[in-house]
Amino acid sequence: AQTVTQSQPEMSVQEAETVTLSCTYDTSENNYYLFWYKQPPSRQMILVIRQEAYKQQNATENRFSVNFQKAAKSFSLKISDSQLGDTAMYFCAWSRGGATNKLIFGTGTLLAVQP
Amino acid sequence: AAGVIQSPRHLIKEKRETATLKCYPIPRHDTVYWYQQGPGQDPQFLISFYEKMQSDKGSIPDRFSAQQFSDYHSELNMSSLELGDSALYFCASKLRGADTQYFGPGTRLTVL
Repeated sequence: AQTVTQSQPEMSVQEAETVTLSCTYDTSENNYYLFWYKQPPSRQMILVIRQEAYKQQNATENRFSVNFQKAAKSFSLKISDSQLGDTAMYFCAWSRGGATNKLIFGTGTLLAVQP
Repeated sequence: AAGVIQSPRHLIKEKRETATLKCYPIPRHDTVYWYQQGPGQDPQFLISFYEKMQSDKGSIPDRFSAQQFSDYHSELNMSSLELGDSALYFCASKLRGADTQYFGPGTRLTVL
């Protein structure tokens, strides 16, 4: 069975600094996708970034980038120039490629950005 | 851009009552997913639908049922509610050929 592990329950970063959130996963599939979702205090689930497993190039979205290491089954999220609005729970998630791709989530990392 | 709509946003029920949660996907999205997020937990997959057919099933109790209608909206029916059913229920939608699910704001269910 596929599993997603986030080993950092909580992290803190100063405003304008850079922080990296860790995620590892276990799967025997070859076709899959990886995601980072953000859940702020409003509890809305917001897509931050996605990565296709067959692409070697790391995905980037403005201040957010990933370090995807397929052989190591690692998928970390780097947030540059942290802002107060980045304070949220961050969930790493995995889904199989194809039509019925339910998401399997990690347990989340609570990130606090300090002024 | 239009987002996933869920109603109601908040719901309070007594034990053993029933509840119906509704989800209206993003226009043209034909696939719907339901997730349950308990307090301090990650979302857990319940069930999914494509073209009115159940496409996958997760840890959904037998007391729960769901369906998708011809306009692609979906309803999650919950009967004999228990205290442990108190949670945030998310609906997510996507196009069948796509890989990214977009989440609604969730329905917060409280069972007293």
